[in-house]
Amino acid sequence: GDSVTQTEGLVTLTEGLPVMLNCTYQTIYSNPFLFWYVQHLNESPRLLLKSFTDNKRTEHQGFHATLHKSSSSFHLQKSSAQLSDSALYYCALSDRDSGYNKLTFGKGTVLLVSP
Amino acid sequence: EAGVTQSPRYAVLQEGQAVSFWCDPISGHDTLYWYQQPRDQGPQLLVYFRDEAVIDNSQLPSDRFSAVRPKGTNSTLKIQSAKQGDTATYLCASSRDKNNQAPLFGEGTRLSVL
Repeated sequence: GDSVTQTEGLVTLTEGLPVMLNCTYQTIYSNPFLFWYVQHLNESPRLLLKSFTDNKRTEHQGFHATLHKSSSSFHLQKSSAQLSDSALYYCALSDRDSGYNKLTFGKGTVLLVSP
Repeated sequence: EAGVTQSPRYAVLQEGQAVSFWCDPISGHDTLYWYQQPRDQGPQLLVYFRDEAVIDNSQLPSDRFSAVRPKGTNSTLKIQSAKQGDTATYLCASSRDKNNQAPLFGEGTRLSVL
């Protein structure tokens, strides 16, 4: 079946340093749809980024990611971490050709930004 | 635009009790998803609907869980006889998948089964 693999566990950064959270996926879909969701403590997942276009950078709120079908990757990046970026980040996958966006989530990566 | 609304926000049960979760999706969203998110895990799909029709409920523990969306708007997820292993947050999401929209999540219902 489909699977999403993320940077495991906890990533700790000092404010101002760049952020890189890895996401790779395995799927039989020829047209995968990739998402990043962010979840703050005691809140629900909130959409951060999405893309189904190969090799095209997508950006939102200072974060960016590029879907690379050749390497099955959709890494999340930000040039300079802020304290408010501390949260749980999920990468998720769906099949765009199915007509539904049922999501397969990775296990999540906790990002902790310190002063 | 109002977001996805879920109620209750919290529920605490003894094993064997029943509980229902209610979800009001974003207006105009034809697809509705229910996810289970155990503590410290990613959300896992339970069931989803397009309008009033169940598209896939294969991940729903059918002996105790049921879900309906009778008019293609609000939805109810019910657990007949809760077990401690059902302790999790239950998330509802909705979208207009045909427009390549991402599912948007409600605040969830946090269930504790003692």
